[in-house]
Amino acid sequence: GENVEQHPSTLSVQEGDSAVIKCTYSDSASNYFPWYKQELGKGPQLIIDIRSNVGEKKDQRIAVTLNKTAKHFSLHITETQPEDSAVYFCAASNTGFQKLVFGTGTRLLVSP
Amino acid sequence: NAGVTQTPKFQVLKTGQSMTLQCAQDMNHNSMYWYRQDPGMGLRLIYYSASEGTTDKGEVPNGYNVSRLNKREFSLRLESAAPSQTSVYFCASRGAGAEEQYFGPGTRLTVT
Repeated sequence: GENVEQHPSTLSVQEGDSAVIKCTYSDSASNYFPWYKQELGKGPQLIIDIRSNVGEKKDQRIAVTLNKTAKHFSLHITETQPEDSAVYFCAASNTGFQKLVFGTGTRLLVSP
Repeated sequence: NAGVTQTPKFQVLKTGQSMTLQCAQDMNHNSMYWYRQDPGMGLRLIYYSASEGTTDKGEVPNGYNVSRLNKREFSLRLESAAPSQTSVYFCASRGAGAEEQYFGPGTRLTVT
């Protein structure tokens, strides 16, 4: 089955810096890659996603890149703000979007 | 429009006790999911229901049962709780033909 690895497990940056979180997946049939943000005491919330027929997608300060050959994808957050502090999860799906396999999460701390 | 709701928010059980976690969604979604979240392990799928009347095992189904009561409601039952089931449990739902999963606020369960 699919296996998703995520790094780093924790990431501390200064406000205004960029943050990059990386994930690798094992199943070459995976074709959908979402990123979720989880704030303290809440459920995860989708922030951006990408399909396998696209190499990069941007939404304001957030971007995701996908390298199908290497089977890895990354989340890029520019001009980080304290409210970006949260746990971020990557995930992959290969069964008609029925099931997601999640990475282990990255705790991002943005210091003012 | 409440989205995905879960009850209870917190629960403490003794080993061997049983309980049912409730989940409901008001978005007319076909698919519903139960995950558990443990430190350092991300979100792991316990069971899911692709549509009303169907349920399937996920990655970690042992010790759990589910019921898709109707299109809105999907419950998770622990028949004989064990300390290893101490976790935060999240319910999620997804609309037909869509990719995004919407998560509830979670239930924090402690088994002593």
